[in-house]
Amino acid sequence: DSGVTQTPKHLITATGQRVTLRCSPRSGDLSVYWYQQSLDQGLQFLIQYYNGEERAKGNILERFSAQQFPDLHSELNLSSLELGDSALYFCASSVEAGTGVFSSSGSGELFFGEGSRLTVL
Amino acid sequence: QKEVEQDPGPLSVPEGAIVSLNCTYSNSAFQYFMWYRQYSRKGPELLMYTYSSGNKEDGRFTAQVDKSSKYISLFIRDSQPSDSATYLCAMSGQGGSEKLVFGKGTKLTVNP
Repeated sequence: DSGVTQTPKHLITATGQRVTLRCSPRSGDLSVYWYQQSLDQGLQFLIQYYNGEERAKGNILERFSAQQFPDLHSELNLSSLELGDSALYFCASSVEAGTGVFSSSGSGELFFGEGSRLTVL
Repeated sequence: QKEVEQDPGPLSVPEGAIVSLNCTYSNSAFQYFMWYRQYSRKGPELLMYTYSSGNKEDGRFTAQVDKSSKYISLFIRDSQPSDSATYLCAMSGQGGSEKLVFGKGTKLTVNP
């Protein structure tokens, strides 16, 4: 168990709808990352928040938005859903603001949740 | 050209075999190199990481980085059925806000 909690685990919805995915990071982690995983694209970075502020943006569509709340949980909002949005959405957390920086003061290791599987019909 | 290329496989080997998994990359700024393991229906988990070039060994696992060739490898010795998973390479540059770039992952099955 990574300590990162994602809900819901599975979600089936129709095109044009809007859904919200929720993530609770590990206790003490200030950074939250959202990734999309599909068979053809692999694991794609969407967006990162650090202590409530947007830190980095990846390949996130304009129809998608996210936020991190004062209690550090995060939500990813997906709107005007299309068939191609069907994928696994992972949340990950880390102590540091950056990843891959394994310094003596902390770790850049990402801890992933078990994902939310979104199916758009 | 994608920043990180990884053969998706699938790769199927008998128990006890030596497994070699590889990634190539194009961004010479990458300094941190990681391997994540993802079991079916689970999120990825960090297996090993190395900084810059060289080798790192952890039990049956060895990670190698060749920055001159922009090529990284993960070797699994005496592979076990419990090693069956998808292995994703990941890398990032130096700095506090660098994002991690993942390969697509190689699906490995170790047959008993």
